[in-house]
Amino acid sequence: GENVEQHPSTLSVQEGDSAVIKCTYSDSASNYFPWYKQELGKRPQLIIDIRSNVGEKKDQRIAVTLNKTAKHFSLHITETQPEDSAVYFCAATNTGNQFYFGTGTSLTVIP
Amino acid sequence: SQTIHQWPATLVQPVGSPLSLECTVEGTSNPNLYWYRQAAGRGLQLLFYSVGIGQISSEVPQNLSASRPQDRQFILSSKKLLLSDSGFYLCAWNKGRPLFDYEQYFGPGTRLTVT
Repeated sequence: GENVEQHPSTLSVQEGDSAVIKCTYSDSASNYFPWYKQELGKRPQLIIDIRSNVGEKKDQRIAVTLNKTAKHFSLHITETQPEDSAVYFCAATNTGNQFYFGTGTSLTVIP
Repeated sequence: SQTIHQWPATLVQPVGSPLSLECTVEGTSNPNLYWYRQAAGRGLQLLFYSVGIGQISSEVPQNLSASRPQDRQFILSSKKLLLSDSGFYLCAWNKGRPLFDYEQYFGPGTRLTVT
């Protein structure tokens, strides 16, 4: 089955700096890669996703890049704000039914 | 628009007691439905998923079971809870056939504490 690894497990940045979270996957058939943000005690919220036919996708301050050859994808957050502090999860799937999640990155944005 | 509900929001149960958690989705037909568990400070573990009424796929063998008695209703059950069943239980959905879409959305969750 698929194996998704996520790094780093914790990340602290100064407000206004950029944050990058990386995930690698093992199954070359995976074709959909979402990113979720989970605030303390709340549900994961889908913030951005990318499909295997695209190399990069942006939505305001967040972007996701995908390297199919190396089997890794990354979340980039620019101009970080305190409200970006949360746990971020990556995931991968090739069926749309079985999603394999990374172990999460706890991001702290220091004002 | 689509809405997903879960109840109860919190639950405290003694070891050995039964469990029933319910999830319903509004505003869509034939959704794919999922149960995940999240232990404290940990990632998301897929427990079950369903692509239709009565169709359940189990990802992890354990003392939990799932049922889908209606198109937009998904139930997670246990006959006897273990301490290790404590966690945050999340229901999720995405669009099923013929409008299948990978985008998956989570319900508000049920926080279960087994004492």
